[in-house]
Amino acid sequence: GAVVSQHPSRVICKSGTSVKIECRSLDFQATTMFWYRQFPKKSLMLMATSNEGSKATYEQGVEKDKFLINHASLTLSTLTVTSAHPEDSSFYICSALYGGEQFFGPGTRLTVL
Amino acid sequence: GEDVEQSLFLSVREGDSSVINCTYTDSSSTYLYWYKQEPGAGLQLLTYIFSNMDMKQDQRLTVLLNKKDKHLSLRIADTQTGDSAIYFCAERANQGGKLIFGQGTELSVKP
Repeated sequence: GAVVSQHPSRVICKSGTSVKIECRSLDFQATTMFWYRQFPKKSLMLMATSNEGSKATYEQGVEKDKFLINHASLTLSTLTVTSAHPEDSSFYICSALYGGEQFFGPGTRLTVL
Repeated sequence: GEDVEQSLFLSVREGDSSVINCTYTDSSSTYLYWYKQEPGAGLQLLTYIFSNMDMKQDQRLTVLLNKKDKHLSLRIADTQTGDSAIYFCAERANQGGKLIFGQGTELSVKP
């Protein structure tokens, strides 16, 4: 139980385009989901906390207009990287809260050319 | 502020024990975790310990917590090549709260 999926697993896009990443809780409902960013050989950096039916809470230094988060249902949160640039290339990981614990998705590798 | 520190690399021979260390600064940490990340994959929860415990053992994994020194360790007995991965420790102050991760320790297991 407590399985989290992400889609796509890998995406390559051109500079200036927008990319949407989905995070789904497959066998449970998650009121709260988290979005992390991981640079190569680095730790996970929390970007924002996504709450179903309300606005996401962004961490300091994360641009909310750049990284749009929507948590429209209890099993789905989306992260849209708007007007992506090469510096946005990274590994994005989501997690979903269940029973007080975070369960992580497999991650999405974004490469912006 | 909250900070979690780990050494970056550890190399062991297959069959040996591995010990990965972690220190944290937040004395209100209630839950401490160890996660494993294989290349290109998400995080897999290995084990966790509550702050009122000193030790927890789960098959080949042993977690030791020294709350006074704010030191956490993960021992992997009989390390196998499949254990090669990055191991993250993380702490959290309360249930459902934000996780603070260490930098990750890259474990390399040589045959």
